[in-house]
Amino acid sequence: QVQLQQSGAELAKPGSSVKISCKASGYTFTSYYISWIKQTTGQGLEYIGYINTGSGGTNYNEKFKGKATLTVDKSSSTAFMQLSSLTPDDSAVYYCARAVPYYWYFDFWGPGTMVTVSS
Amino acid sequence: DVVLTQTPSILSATIGQSVSISCRSSQSLLDSDGNTYLYWFLQRPGQSPQRLIYLVSNLGSGVPNRFSGSGSGTDFTLKISGVEAEDLGVYYCMQATHAPWTFGGGTKLELK
Repeated sequence: QVQLQQSGAELAKPGSSVKISCKASGYTFTSYYISWIKQTTGQGLEYIGYINTGSGGTNYNEKFKGKATLTVDKSSSTAFMQLSSLTPDDSAVYYCARAVPYYWYFDFWGPGTMVTVSS
Repeated sequence: DVVLTQTPSILSATIGQSVSISCRSSQSLLDSDGNTYLYWFLQRPGQSPQRLIYLVSNLGSGVPNRFSGSGSGTDFTLKISGVEAEDLGVYYCMQATHAPWTFGGGTKLELK
């Protein structure tokens, strides 16, 4: 069955970076894209971007350009998101989701990774 | 950015009751390719969002047929025909017609 396994919670200091992983199983990894979504109590759900797992091509929400960097390792069926220059506003739960190309349908979601930015 | 406004923000229902949630967009979601990229998700307490409906009215695999989606242009509706206990949580609409893709603010379905 399709599973997206995300890395564990992160506690980071302001100005630092974190790298979250999303390991996929149960399907052909390169047949679907991986998208990333931020959830906070105040801002709700926000689309960060997606990565074409076959080509490595990316699409970012302008708001997250320079903040998030999406990469992929096809050999391990894992997608990554690095968040840089962290501020308290980056504290959130981050989800990866499998995206069906051209339909842009998030049909499976990971369990989420909580990132807390605090000094 | 496209703003998706969901109403109501809180919906109280009894088991077996039929309910509807509205999602209104600040721009038409009809794409030039003829598709309308409007989706619905349910987030149960303590869980990640899960698929319900894609492209306005298509039921996700394994989603019970008491859920249905309708609408066009800027006005969309999710209907639950006979609420069950497992349907409680927060419902979100999302659009992927206009960049950046955006989500509605959510509708919490709770037991009356």
